[in-house]
Amino acid sequence: AQSVTQLGSHVSVSEGALVLLRCNYSSSVPPYLFWYVQYPNQGLQLLLKYTSAATLVKGINGFEAEFKKSETSFHLTKPSAHMSDAAEYFCAVTPGGATNKLIFGTGTLLAVQP
Amino acid sequence: GAGVSQTPSNKVTEKGKYVELRCDPISGHTALYWYRQSLGQGPEFLIYFQGTGAADDSGLPNDRFFAVRPEGSVSTLKIQRTERGDSAVYLCASSLGVGQGMHGYTFGSGTRLTVV
Repeated sequence: AQSVTQLGSHVSVSEGALVLLRCNYSSSVPPYLFWYVQYPNQGLQLLLKYTSAATLVKGINGFEAEFKKSETSFHLTKPSAHMSDAAEYFCAVTPGGATNKLIFGTGTLLAVQP
Repeated sequence: GAGVSQTPSNKVTEKGKYVELRCDPISGHTALYWYRQSLGQGPEFLIYFQGTGAADDSGLPNDRFFAVRPEGSVSTLKIQRTERGDSAVYLCASSLGVGQGMHGYTFGSGTRLTVV
């Protein structure tokens, strides 16, 4: 069975600092992995995805994530935080193939301090 | 339409009442998904449709919940005898097809259901 663990329900960084949001997954088959962002009172927006091509994935708004099979991780990073990055971030996994059921982590709320 | 549309955006109902939540997917998207997001949690899978049929309903919590998609486009999530524990944001998403989900779904803004 697939599952996702996001370490740290709340992360606070200063504007301009590195953003690192952690995600570890478990999957019995090669997974597809996703990061979604949710701004207050809005729907989920896809930031980036890993679908077994390049292990370093670049997404929107300057975010990127690296798939590390040996560590079963897919951490999200951004070199320099902006105030507009304050939101909740969800990591998700799907085995792909015949089912696209997404299994989400519990989310990490990112606060950016001026 | 241009995006996934969910109506109503907010619904307050009394315990024991019946509610219907509507999802209008992106035109041409054959796969449609329902998720439920409780406060402080990530979205939890409920059911997904490929065309008109429910391909996987393993996430529906009990028989008070069911969903339909009679013409392969709009879907309705129906909850009977609502309970306070059903209060959550119900999210709908669509994708071009089952195999296309690897590209990521497009989510609607959700319906916030409050059972009082």
